Amino acid sequence: EAQVTQNPRYLITVTGKKLTVTCSQNMNHEYMSWYRQDPGLGLRQIYYSMNVEVTDKGDVPEGYKVSRKEKRNFPLILESPSPNQTSLYFCASSELLGERYAFFGQGTRLTVV
Amino acid sequence: GEDVEQSLFLSVREGDSSVINCTYTDSSSTYLYWYKQEPGAGLQLLTYIFSNMDMKQDQRLTVLLNKKDKHLSLRIADTQTGDSAIYFCAESINDYKLSFGAGTTVTVRA
Repeated sequence: EAQVTQNPRYLITVTGKKLTVTCSQNMNHEYMSWYRQDPGLGLRQIYYSMNVEVTDKGDVPEGYKVSRKEKRNFPLILESPSPNQTSLYFCASSELLGERYAFFGQGTRLTVV
Repeated sequence: GEDVEQSLFLSVREGDSSVINCTYTDSSSTYLYWYKQEPGAGLQLLTYIFSNMDMKQDQRLTVLLNKKDKHLSLRIADTQTGDSAIYFCAESINDYKLSFGAGTTVTVRA
């Protein structure tokens, strides 16, 4: 079954404690992205990757890092989380957009206290 | 610019039609999408339309695109309780980025 898997689904952490949210896809897609969803703002792109070792900033990259060492995995790293990073995070993968639309993971709800 | 706008809430009676509206600003978008998010779940693609089309119908879903006015709408016929969800309008900014609206929360009442 084609899917994008994120872990964990829920996370509560304290300010400043480094964390990683993993994302894995089984469709051999080249493109992967991270979005955050906040009420009234929709989804905003954090980082994206066009292929292994190729990543670039999206609209809201501050406070986040990513890596793409393998095609299937695209972890999101928060080196020093802050309360304003409390949000719902989605990983997505796709071939070129268009008819080959983006597949989304189930989401990770992060709370930073 | 990348600005997708949609109304935040819609309440509809079961069995009626729902119409969710969206406006976008990037005239170069080639595809426009409607995603559905049920409570606690990820985003599920409902339908998409290519920018050279005016209308697309898929069972109970009808998408209308007015490219001149940059207006997109989603009509759900015979709305059911299972249609209660948040609906996101999105446009393809380039080959690998989607720009989303804030989402319309649709509540279906009996």
